[in-house]
Amino acid sequence: DAKTTQPPSMDCAEGRAANLPCNHSTISGNEYVYWYRQIHSQGPQYIIHGLKNNETNEMASLIITEDRKSSTLILPHATLRDTAVYYCIVRVTNSGYALNFGKGTSLLVTP
Amino acid sequence: NAGVTQTPKFQVLKTGQSMTLQCAQDMNHNSMYWYRQDPGMGLRLIYYSASEGTTDKGEVPNGYNVSRLNKREFSLRLESAAPSQTSVYFCASTTGGLQGGETQYFGPGTRLLVL
Repeated sequence: DAKTTQPPSMDCAEGRAANLPCNHSTISGNEYVYWYRQIHSQGPQYIIHGLKNNETNEMASLIITEDRKSSTLILPHATLRDTAVYYCIVRVTNSGYALNFGKGTSLLVTP
Repeated sequence: NAGVTQTPKFQVLKTGQSMTLQCAQDMNHNSMYWYRQDPGMGLRLIYYSASEGTTDKGEVPNGYNVSRLNKREFSLRLESAAPSQTSVYFCASTTGGLQGGETQYFGPGTRLLVL
């Protein structure tokens, strides 16, 4: 699986969009970009994933650059409950293997 | 539909004691996983089971054993607990097949303290 690089921490004001970047310059053609988050003391929660097209669901949007070397997770209207550690993971889907969690980005949403 | 459940939620052990962490999923998933998470760290894989009847070592398997009892249940056993095994343990499951995404569903965690 390709290695990812994320900033260790970010702040965002409540109600604003939170844009979390991820670099994955060694990504290969069959690797997907996944985002999970972990709210304090809870199990990780799936957010979204994509291959090369931008994706949107009820939780977030995922923007992947054309060369696929980086991506951005967007939480359009951050709330205090979005305060969590966000993990960007790159891997081949459906391989049945475990996720390789790094240290992620700690997002703090402030009132 | 409870998703992934884990028992117990919290446990205190003395060094050398043994215990089994239980995990069950009701989503008919093929693959199940055990992770540990130490303070300030990401999750590290201990063991996984790609399908019923198979188990494989992950990144940090030493000191642990697992049993895939059936499709629903995947247990983690500490035969002789050590303080270095103080951690939060998460169980997860996923379809693991060729159809659908690779979304992993996580349990609430078991917090283990070894004195």
